[in-house]
Amino acid sequence: GESVGLHLPTLSVQEGDNSIINCAYSNSASDYFIWYKQESGKGPQFIIDIRSNMDKRQGQRVTVLLNKTVKHLSLQIAATQPGDSAVYFCAENIGRGGNKLTFGGGTRVLVKP
Amino acid sequence: DAGVTQSPTHLIKTRGQQVTLRCSPISGHKSVSWYQQVLGQGPQFIFQYYEKEERGRGNFPDRFSARQFPNYSSELNVNALLLGDSALYLCASSQGQGLYNSPLHFGNGTRLTVT
Repeated sequence: GESVGLHLPTLSVQEGDNSIINCAYSNSASDYFIWYKQESGKGPQFIIDIRSNMDKRQGQRVTVLLNKTVKHLSLQIAATQPGDSAVYFCAENIGRGGNKLTFGGGTRVLVKP
Repeated sequence: DAGVTQSPTHLIKTRGQQVTLRCSPISGHKSVSWYQQVLGQGPQFIFQYYEKEERGRGNFPDRFSARQFPNYSSELNVNALLLGDSALYLCASSQGQGLYNSPLHFGNGTRLTVT
């Protein structure tokens, strides 16, 4: 079935640099997208979301970009900190389908001091 | 405010046994969902319950069942455990049936090991 996928399984970034995590989705019916951060031993933590009627949304140090033409989603983290080291998942939802989320396989971000 | 709470945190069972996992949603949240996360993969949707009714079911066998109580807490039951059921079981809650204006918030999960 269709699912959300990620391009890079591991991303190493220098502390203070910006991070970009990419995600491709294949279900054109998806209209809501979420990024989650998961630290070892914990559940996924909500970072930011975006609806399909938007191209960009900003939060604190994070920005999500949505390109519906190529079905691509990205998460930008500004001034990456050691506490940003974790696995990041993108997930998609079809609004009329309840709150079922389809997750990708995740990208591990390692922040080097 | 308390987040989504799950119990137990860890569990070890033998093949063929049955297990019950418990979840308390965030106060005011009426929807509870269950996900299975195998090591190294993203979570996979199992069930969604809203107002005590099943609103969605993922591609899991009938050995998996769940229910939601009047206080919106939930239980996930798995019968006839297989080695492949070893995973982190995540509970998530949201205010409504959909996600608009109410993202899904996850608990820290129950780590189930089947030997």
